[in-house]
Amino acid sequence: AQTVTQSQPEMSVQEAETVTLSCTYDTSESDYYLFWYKQPPSRQMILVIRQEAYKQQNATENRFSVNFQKAAKSFSLKISDSQLGDAAMYFCAYRSAGDTGNQFYFGTGTSLTVIP
Amino acid sequence: KAGVTQTPRYLIKTRGQQVTLSCSPISGHRSVSWYQQTPGQGLQFLFEYFSETQRNKGNFPGRFSGRQFSNSRSEMNVSTLELGDSALYLCASSLVAGSGYEQYFGPGTRLTVT
Repeated sequence: AQTVTQSQPEMSVQEAETVTLSCTYDTSESDYYLFWYKQPPSRQMILVIRQEAYKQQNATENRFSVNFQKAAKSFSLKISDSQLGDAAMYFCAYRSAGDTGNQFYFGTGTSLTVIP
Repeated sequence: KAGVTQTPRYLIKTRGQQVTLSCSPISGHRSVSWYQQTPGQGLQFLFEYFSETQRNKGNFPGRFSGRQFSNSRSEMNVSTLELGDSALYLCASSLVAGSGYEQYFGPGTRLTVT
């Protein structure tokens, strides 16, 4: 089974600064999808950004971008110009691209604190 | 479009009882997955349903079961509750299974077992 590791249980960042959250994964597959999800204190999980493994270009969504290193099996999330509303738990997730069902594998999460 | 809804939002049960949680996916979504979330463990995959069929199952005991109805609504059942079953149970739906479409999550059901 695939595993997803987030080695930073907690991170903090000053408002307006940049922070990078780490994620590594283990898989023998060549085609897959990677996601970052955000879970604010209200608990509704929302998608932040998604990356297809066959695409070499790193995905970006406004202030959020990823550094996808396929060979290293690394998928970090960079948040630029951090805002108070970015404070949340962030989960990295993996999904196979094959037709094997819609099973996602999640890391244990990184709790991000934004300091005013 | 309405988002994923889960009922009830909070539940308190006693050890040995059983519980049924409900999830209504986003309209048009046919894949529904269930997760158990506990502090330190992250999200643990329970099972996924597509077109009323269970397609994947996580590493949970048989006390955890689920089903999906023809309208894609899903229920999960936990029998003979244990203290360790206390968790946030999240439901997620996707537009089409077997693709890279992201999952949309509901607010969760907070289950407390005493």
